[in-house]
Amino acid sequence: AQRVTQPEKLLSVFKGAPVELKCNYSYSGSPELFWYVQYSRQRLQLLLRHISRESIKGFTADLNKGETSFHLKKPFAQEEDSAMYYCALRGGFGNDMRFGAGTRLTVKP
Amino acid sequence: DTGVSQNPRHKITKRGQNVTFRCDPISEHNRLYWYRQTLGQGPEFLTYFQNEAQLEKSRLLSDRFSAERPKGSFSTLEIQRTEQGDSAMYLCASSLVGVEETQYFGPGTRLLVL
Repeated sequence: AQRVTQPEKLLSVFKGAPVELKCNYSYSGSPELFWYVQYSRQRLQLLLRHISRESIKGFTADLNKGETSFHLKKPFAQEEDSAMYYCALRGGFGNDMRFGAGTRLTVKP
Repeated sequence: DTGVSQNPRHKITKRGQNVTFRCDPISEHNRLYWYRQTLGQGPEFLTYFQNEAQLEKSRLLSDRFSAERPKGSFSTLEIQRTEQGDSAMYLCASSLVGVEETQYFGPGTRLLVL
């Protein structure tokens, strides 16, 4: 069964501090992993996907198949990073996307 | 605004009534997805269309839920005989099939069943 776990519902850091949002998944095959972000009063939008291996807004995420994790990291958090972050998985031949419960990140000044 | 649009944005109904939501995808996007999101949870997949064909439906989707995309453009999601447990945000997303398919989400329709 596909499952995505984000163990932290809330995460608070100070501006300039490193931030890591955790994501663990359960899937027997080769999944596609994504991070979506929702800023206040905005719609859900794609932040990055593992196959692109790119850095968006200073965020990176590495797929670790051994640990079945896809943690999102940024070395220096900014106040504008405050948002709700969702990890998502798409696997197999289906196109249904399985989302985690989300982590609310607050970056304090 | 050429993004995904959803109507209505809010709906309050009484238990037992039927409701219908509409989603207008980004033009030329051939895939359209419906999700449901309850408080404190991430979006939960309901169903998706490729053009006018409904290709996948969640096993969790009750028979009271039905979705259509008759001409491969806009889509409607109908909930019959609503229950209080149907109260949620209903999200629509659209995408263009491809190697790096990206789903673009609408603002959602918030349903409250009294």
